[in-house]
Amino acid sequence: KNEVEQSPQNLTAQEGEFITINCSYSVGISALHWLQQHPGGGIVSLFMLSSGKKKHGRLIATINIQEKHSSLHITASHPRDSAVYICAVRPDYGGSQGNLIFGKGTKLSVKP
Amino acid sequence: DTAVSQTPKYLVTQMGNDKSIKCEQNLGHDTMYWYKQDSKKFLKIMFSYNNKELIINETVPNRFSPKSPDKAHLNLHINSLELGDSAVYFCASSHSGGLQETQYFGPGTRLLVL
Repeated sequence: KNEVEQSPQNLTAQEGEFITINCSYSVGISALHWLQQHPGGGIVSLFMLSSGKKKHGRLIATINIQEKHSSLHITASHPRDSAVYICAVRPDYGGSQGNLIFGKGTKLSVKP
Repeated sequence: DTAVSQTPKYLVTQMGNDKSIKCEQNLGHDTMYWYKQDSKKFLKIMFSYNNKELIINETVPNRFSPKSPDKAHLNLHINSLELGDSAVYFCASSHSGGLQETQYFGPGTRLLVL
């Protein structure tokens, strides 16, 4: 079992829908990252969280450290949001350069 | 002005060959990383360097040898390429490798071994 699990694996939505992608992890962490991988392959960091909630435009990320769970929400989804969304955690062991552990990603398709 | 750049973008080569992928960052970061993304799109850390010194070397065959001539560059040399090396390789950097830092990714190098 992977230390970082995402759900759903695939998600199809209609333009305008509210979208939630979930991430659960099984290790103690110092930070959690949400990344977006575009259809062309490029990876962009969306958020880094260690507690609470962050918002950027139509994207909202939340984390519950006690429950080892994070969610990424997209409000008023748009076809340009179509991408793979990847959750990654930085374990709190391994010294200051602990490696990121990645989920397998959630492929989102937003239809017009 | 690309923050993290990689060359080449695509690399097609025969089994057994030796090839290099170059990575450069102009962000003034101290820490650089190499990740491998397999055919199932699963990302995994390969190496991490901080100020030209190797910090993390995950379970990677010793045919893979990273080289950091200075802290702005982290190149990946692969000897005796195998079919299973076909993947997308991403370089990334962060300020000092701290636990709560954003990583900035390069565009990726798509390697195909025939």
